[in-house]
Parts: sequence; structure tokens; C-alpha cells
Amino acid sequence: EIVLTQSPGTLSLSPGESATLSCRASQSVSSSYLTWYQQKPGQAPRLLIYGASSRATDIPDRFSGSGSGTDFTLTISRLEPEDFAVYYCQQFGDSLTFGGGTKVEIK
Amino acid sequence: QIQLLQSGAEVKKPGASVKVSCKASAYTFTSYGINWVRQAPGQGLEWMGWISGYNGDTRYDQKFQDRVTLTADTSTTTAYMELRSLRSDDTAVYYCARGSASDYRSNFDPWGPGTLVTVSS
Repeated sequence: EIVLTQSPGTLSLSPGESATLSCRASQSVSSSYLTWYQQKPGQAPRLLIYGASSRATDIPDRFSGSGSGTDFTLTISRLEPEDFAVYYCQQFGDSLTFGGGTKVEIK
Repeated sequence: QIQLLQSGAEVKKPGASVKVSCKASAYTFTSYGINWVRQAPGQGLEWMGWISGYNGDTRYDQKFQDRVTLTADTSTTTAYMELRSLRSDDTAVYYCARGSASDYRSNFDPWGPGTLVTVSS
């Protein structure tokens, strides 16, 4: 089973700053099979980025994904108040697993 | 607008079973699958299994294989998740999420709002 390790666990930032979230896989994952989700308090997760770097429908361009192999990154430039949430990566190249999540909180 | 509507919150005693429903609307049910993911209080996401809306094929995570059954009724475009032999650590929000019809390995979009299942004596 591929284990996804997300870091940091919590990121404390101010609106307008940029956020860099990491997702590291225990084995290589094809970029096609790496996904990011956003979850706000009390809500279901929402698809954010698929194929490591493609934004889902209606996702603003301040969200970007990158990476390959075992290291993937979600970048949020110019944090808006609505971006403070928990972000999960998911892989489905080998079975299907989620990372433990990174919470982006207001500093 | 594509929607997944889930059944309401449940309170169950240890050892009981629970069956959660997920009604799909505004898309062709048989062209997609439904995944089930749970989230314990304050914890992360845990994939439980998948059912194809096309042919009813299923795939379960090994952790749940012995206790969960996924079914789908194409006539009502509704998927069901039954979890048996409930324990206190099964207390969680259970989500359904649309996926691929042909393979459990896919993105999930959209997600249902979730169903809180509380297991308590």
C-alpha cells in the first residue's frame, strides 16, 4: 500500500500570503493518479486538483499543483479567507489511499 | 446540478448494523461508480469501497471487507452502504462520492454531504 505523508500538519498564514503544501508518497505515483481535495469545517471534501496539476471546474487559478514521482506540491498563492481549510492528497495508482491532511489556518 | 443526497444521521448500539443511502441525481447513474469514504471525528479520510453503477462490480478496502456490503439500485439511482458488527470506533461521518464506472481507482467528484453514524451503548 502506498502511504502518503502530508506536511506540514498545520500551516499558519495570513490572508494574502502564499501556502506550499507537500504530499510525499512511499513509492512512485504516476502524476495522472494524484489528486488534491479541499475540506472546509462541517463540509464534505471538494475536488481541487486532479492529475497532479489540473484544476477542477470552478477552482480559481491561485490554486496550482505540481510534482512527480514521490513528491507533489499544492501551492495557494494570495490566500483568500475562504481558502483556510484542510487539504488532502489522494493517490490511486496502486489501490487508493489518502494523506493525513494539512490544515491551513489563519495566523 | 449533479447531486448526491444522503440519508440522515443514525445512532446505533455496538453489534448492530447500519445502512446508509446515497441518491444520485442529474447525471447518468450507470455511467459512473460510487465510492464510500468515512471520517472519524477530527480525523482524516478513509476509503471503504466502491461499486460500479454500470454492472454492480464492487471493490472493498481490506480493512472493511468482512463487514461492509455495497449495493446499488439503478432504477432509483441510489447506492447503499451497509456496515455490520458496529463498534464505537465506527463512529464517523460516512460520505458517498462519485467515481469511475469501470475502476475503483479514480478521482471523487462530487461528494455527498455526509451521514453521521454514532455507535454508542
